[in-house]
Amino acid sequence: GENVEQHPSTLSVQEGDSAVIKCTYSDSASNYFPWYKQELGKGPQLIIDIRSNVGEKKDQRIAVTLNKTAKHFSLHITETQPEDSAVYFCAASYNAGNMLTFGGGTRLMVKP
Amino acid sequence: ETGVTQTPRHLVMGMTNKKSLKCEQHLGHNAMYWYKQSAKKPLELMFVYSLEERVENNSVPSRFSPECPNSSHLFLHLHTLQPEDSALYLCASSQDGTSGGLEQFFGPGTRLTVL
Repeated sequence: GENVEQHPSTLSVQEGDSAVIKCTYSDSASNYFPWYKQELGKGPQLIIDIRSNVGEKKDQRIAVTLNKTAKHFSLHITETQPEDSAVYFCAASYNAGNMLTFGGGTRLMVKP
Repeated sequence: ETGVTQTPRHLVMGMTNKKSLKCEQHLGHNAMYWYKQSAKKPLELMFVYSLEERVENNSVPSRFSPECPNSSHLFLHLHTLQPEDSALYLCASSQDGTSGGLEQFFGPGTRLTVL
């Protein structure tokens, strides 16, 4: 089955700096890659996703890049703000998106 | 109520108890999921229901028993649990993947403690 590795497990940045979180996946058939943000006491919430027919996708301060050959994808957050502090999860799935395999999570702390 | 709701939010039970977790989605979706989130492991998919039929059971012990009476409600029945089952149990819903709409919407979770 699919295996998703996520790094780093914790990341501390200064407000205004950029943050990058990286994930690798094992199943070359995976074609859907969402990123979720989980704040304390809440369930994960989708912040951006990318499909395998696209190399990059951007939404305001958040961008995701995908390298299918190397089987890795990354989340980029620019101009970080304290409210970006949360746990971020990457995931991968094949075809339908129903069976998501999640990475271990990254705890992002943005210091004011 | 909007989105995905879960009750109770917190549950403490003994190993011999029987309890149930409830999930309700108000999004018109037709697929629902149970996940387990513990401190030292990634989110683990436990069960998937699509169009009210179970389509995935990721080798979950039989002491966890899901029930999906309709497309809006999902239950997780618990009996004779072990302390290692203590975790946050998350429910999610989505449109069935074969018809598009891949995003899964999560509820806030039930924090379960097994004594």
